[in-house]
Amino acid sequence: DTEVTQTPKHLVMGMTNKKSLKCEQHMGHRAMYWYKQKAKKPPELMFVYSYEKLSINESVPSRFSPECPNSSLLNLHLHALQPEDSALYLCASSQVGEVEKLFFGSGTQLSVL
Amino acid sequence: DQQVKQNSPSLSVQEGRISILNCDYTNSMFDYFLWYKKYPAEGPTFLISISSIKDKNEDGRFTVFLNKSAKHLSLHIVPSQPGDSAVYFCAASRRFMNNNDMRFGAGTRLTVKP
Repeated sequence: DTEVTQTPKHLVMGMTNKKSLKCEQHMGHRAMYWYKQKAKKPPELMFVYSYEKLSINESVPSRFSPECPNSSLLNLHLHALQPEDSALYLCASSQVGEVEKLFFGSGTQLSVL
Repeated sequence: DQQVKQNSPSLSVQEGRISILNCDYTNSMFDYFLWYKKYPAEGPTFLISISSIKDKNEDGRFTVFLNKSAKHLSLHIVPSQPGDSAVYFCAASRRFMNNNDMRFGAGTRLTVKP
């Protein structure tokens, strides 16, 4: 199983809503990532978890709250988002220190109204 | 500050010809470079990589060239096939730092015409 599964595939939310994005992998990878990608822009690194501990936070606003409850799961909790947060959110995983083999999910397309 | 740049948003080539996709980077600390391929409604998938100690890596129809002095890398696809039509992302990391940090370019949309 070389899949990274992201749910939901699409999400529309209001600025006062609270929602969560979910990511799951069963490849035994101990590094998991959240990337944000806007149209015609590169994926931008948001967070990295290594061994279930947050190792990189790229100065992401606190309205995005990551969580890694175990080695297979990664969540991104969303609260009080702005319309400019609308983007494709990509989850990825790899062995720790082996960024050359990032496995990506198909992403969650988020629209904030 | 975009550390990895792909200045051509799109490229169109004829089937059977060579496709050359280019990428420039600014951070001399990068020591590992990768190309990812992305089809619509799918996540990026790893294609080929190169370490900074090499200047060329080949895998079938795909070859990546690295010019460290120019901070430039390129992906050659020979011969190009219609199934190669996708968005190609260049990425760079500081592998020796073991910090799982990887930066992407904006992507080049390749269209291979039959």
